[in-house]
Amino acid sequence: GQQVMQIPQYQHVQEGEDFTTYCNSSTTLSNIQWYKQRPGGHPVFLIQLVKSGEVKKQKRLTFQFGEAKKNSSLHITATQTTDVGTYFCAGRRSGGYNKLIFGAGTRLAVHP
Amino acid sequence: DTEVTQTPKHLVMGMTNKKSLKCEQHMGHRAMYWYKQKAKKPPELMFVYSYEKLSINESVPSRFSPECPNSSLLNLHLHALQPEDSALYLCASSQDRDPTNEKLFFGSGTQLSVL
Repeated sequence: GQQVMQIPQYQHVQEGEDFTTYCNSSTTLSNIQWYKQRPGGHPVFLIQLVKSGEVKKQKRLTFQFGEAKKNSSLHITATQTTDVGTYFCAGRRSGGYNKLIFGAGTRLAVHP
Repeated sequence: DTEVTQTPKHLVMGMTNKKSLKCEQHMGHRAMYWYKQKAKKPPELMFVYSYEKLSINESVPSRFSPECPNSSLLNLHLHALQPEDSALYLCASSQDRDPTNEKLFFGSGTQLSVL
């Protein structure tokens, strides 16, 4: 079945350093979404990417969708302690009705 | 804060108990979901309702029984659970205008412990 791989599993950085998490799918995706889950919280939608090669920015966060629509990345510039949490990519296979498959997530720790 | 409300927030039950988890949203969304999340793992899809009809069941054991009484409410009935069913149960909703392009809104979850 469809799998969405995400690396790294865990990363800790010093405040101010950059952070990147990568997502790869075994199949072509119709779109990819990113969610953030704070410790003890629930996933919160961040963004959706639909087009091949798409790049979107939200303040210090930059999201990319690969040309083949099989991979994606989230880059955070100059991390802050408020960035702490687990970042999940979630992909939907082309034609995959309402079936969002989550990657394993990357847990980010930020040390002040 | 979330616009999807789940109750209870915590639940402890024995293996012979019957309990229900409840979820409510008033955003006019027509798709509702149950996910199960174990600690340090991603959410795993269990069920999807679209326009109050069950559209996806991810081969979930029959001890979990979903119910969608109306477009705002989603229940998960639990019976004869096992300790390995202990997890965070998340409800989510989406508009369901374009099933291939939906943004999910999650509730805060019910932390379930089965003794």
